[in-house]
Amino acid sequence: DTGVSQDPRHKITKRGQNVTFRCDPISEHNRLYWYRQTLGQGPEFLTYFQNEAQLEKSRLLSDRFSAERPKGSFSTLEIQRTEQGDSAMYLCASSEDTYGYTFGSGTRLTVV
Amino acid sequence: KQEVTQIPAALSVPEGENLVLNCSFTDSAIYNLQWFRQDPGKGLTSLLLIQSSQREQTSGRLNASLDKSSGRSTLYIAASQPGDSATYLCAVRGDSSYKLIFGSGTRLLVRP
Repeated sequence: DTGVSQDPRHKITKRGQNVTFRCDPISEHNRLYWYRQTLGQGPEFLTYFQNEAQLEKSRLLSDRFSAERPKGSFSTLEIQRTEQGDSAMYLCASSEDTYGYTFGSGTRLTVV
Repeated sequence: KQEVTQIPAALSVPEGENLVLNCSFTDSAIYNLQWFRQDPGKGLTSLLLIQSSQREQTSGRLNASLDKSSGRSTLYIAASQPGDSATYLCAVRGDSSYKLIFGSGTRLLVRP
């Protein structure tokens, strides 16, 4: 297992377009998380899944954001009608209680 | 609401110095605390995980302590090296939630 994988690494999109990011967690981890990080700040929680169930969503996750984790494996995060304020690093992590979080390398989104 | 603060925001030291990074949190009802390292434009790398019942954890030149009752953790880096230059993030998980709450990080520069 090579850890948490995120794809793509970078995405540049025009305002108003839809984008989708993918995250493949560590296979033994049943919890998967999405965070957003802007420059100079710590990551902010967006949502998390236990297996395929989405158990918590932040108020940061507006109606334009949707996340799925079909079959409790990989997850996707979609942003519809992107805005310049959506430009950020989107981080995925997975966890197991004893060992804490493992993060992926992130997807850097730039909305122009 | 849990808030995590990291002091200082930035630190520049000559190579070879021992240094301490500070993290404080407002709600002592935590499950664990995790220290991460982040290189520019990259994801987060876990350094140390301290469970709420533990007082410290060590890995190589790194030592992290936890004082839950006072809401404080410190990350001690011995004999700093230029390769230690990065942003160091502290994050806590509450004992009634799976999400991590992050501080804004300490940006460390170790000068050769």
